Amino acid sequence: DQQVKQNSPSLSVQEGRISILNCDYTNSMFDYFLWYKKYPAEGPTFLISISSIKDKNEDGRFTVFLNKSAKHLSLHIVPSQPGDSAVYFCAASARTDGQNFVFGPGTRLSVLP
Amino acid sequence: KAGVTQTPRYLIKTRGQQVTLSCSPISGHRSVSWYQQTPGQGLQFLFEYFSETQRNKGNFPGRFSGRQFSNSRSEMNVSTLELGDSALYLCASSVAGTSLLGANVLTFGAGSRLTVL
Repeated sequence: DQQVKQNSPSLSVQEGRISILNCDYTNSMFDYFLWYKKYPAEGPTFLISISSIKDKNEDGRFTVFLNKSAKHLSLHIVPSQPGDSAVYFCAASARTDGQNFVFGPGTRLSVLP
Repeated sequence: KAGVTQTPRYLIKTRGQQVTLSCSPISGHRSVSWYQQTPGQGLQFLFEYFSETQRNKGNFPGRFSGRQFSNSRSEMNVSTLELGDSALYLCASSVAGTSLLGANVLTFGAGSRLTVL
């Protein structure tokens, strides 16, 4: 039973356009969400976070949107660059679970020049 | 500031053997978590240590264990290795435990890739 889902295993986007990566969760206790990107042979790198008290957080080209009623979050990358090509994971945790993050299966983003 | 260091980076074992993986967190980070990543799966939470105590545990058999030392360095051990244990094992550290805003951001190491033959 996947508590965090990323239903698109892969996504291709043209350089300069917007990339939108989606994530759905089922546990209503989740109140903190992170996005990571991962290159081959490297550990995941933190991108951006959002807590349930907000519905949007922005950091440079990256914006995360949280829709609590739909249990859905999305990561927007604008403009997309070839260096953004990586696997993107969303992760969720509940304050009561400490540092136990539940990760989604990941979406492989390819940004085409 | 040095990142999270994991050793060894690659190792090959045979079924039935045991393995110990090491993780040195970022200086000042007191929480260390371990995750397993296998092809087609997301990262699966193994356990988290904080101040030398296991604070949280994922849904893995007892063959998977860990510990944390007083300098926050951590080790995980897998005994009686099975083929399905082949995976990338990732260690992540964070500043402390939970805050009023929830959990803290994890900083990951590059991982230890274990192959069981």
